Amino acid sequence: QSALTQPASVSGSPGQSITISCTGTSSDVGGYNYVSWYQQHPGKAPKLMIYEVSNRPSGVPDRFSGSKSGNTASLTISGLQAEDEADYYCSSYTSSSTLVVFGGGTKLTVL
Amino acid sequence: QVTLKESGPVLVKPTETLTLTCTVSGFSLSNARMGVSWIRQPPGKALEWLAHIFSNDEKSYSTSLKSRLTISKDTSKSQVVLTMTNMDPVDTATYYCARMGWGYSYGSWGQGTLVTVSS
Repeated sequence: QSALTQPASVSGSPGQSITISCTGTSSDVGGYNYVSWYQQHPGKAPKLMIYEVSNRPSGVPDRFSGSKSGNTASLTISGLQAEDEADYYCSSYTSSSTLVVFGGGTKLTVL
Repeated sequence: QVTLKESGPVLVKPTETLTLTCTVSGFSLSNARMGVSWIRQPPGKALEWLAHIFSNDEKSYSTSLKSRLTISKDTSKSQVVLTMTNMDPVDTATYYCARMGWGYSYGSWGQGTLVTVSS
């Protein structure tokens, strides 16, 4: 059982927008602005898409955006493209003795 | 250019100790802003954070695996080493090392190494 809760799957058609949620507690997501999002294609290492809740690393399209409200963070992908089909993971700093926790992952299907 | 590369055995037997090495380039382990972590992913399952070592040699471990893990670094060799004792088939996974950056995020990852635990 992962520390952060994500929906197992989401889907959308090309051009549409989707949102993936990531729910934690006040000890992680809710307590700090240290939420990150990763995209992982099959057989590949994860790729950082969002850090510190809403910041995009250089090279990540602005179709990807992040936000947070209370203990839940969200990743929104607008203008869905076929290449966005992948697994997405959230992570957060945690004040527990474990430094970082990951979510269970969400499989995005582009219909 | 920052790169990380994992190396270690492909197959280990139950009860054995696993030793994995992460060799980095493009940055120094002595002044990396946040350090290097190990993260694993069982086949078809989610990412699991294991351990982290900061540039000042401070270490953090997964609460559930702390008794089995040791992380260390050799700055002169640009290597971070993870040992995991008493391996079990449920530890079969791809093991990644990753460089921690802004906001406890991981902007650079190794390619991962698949470790299978089987007799």
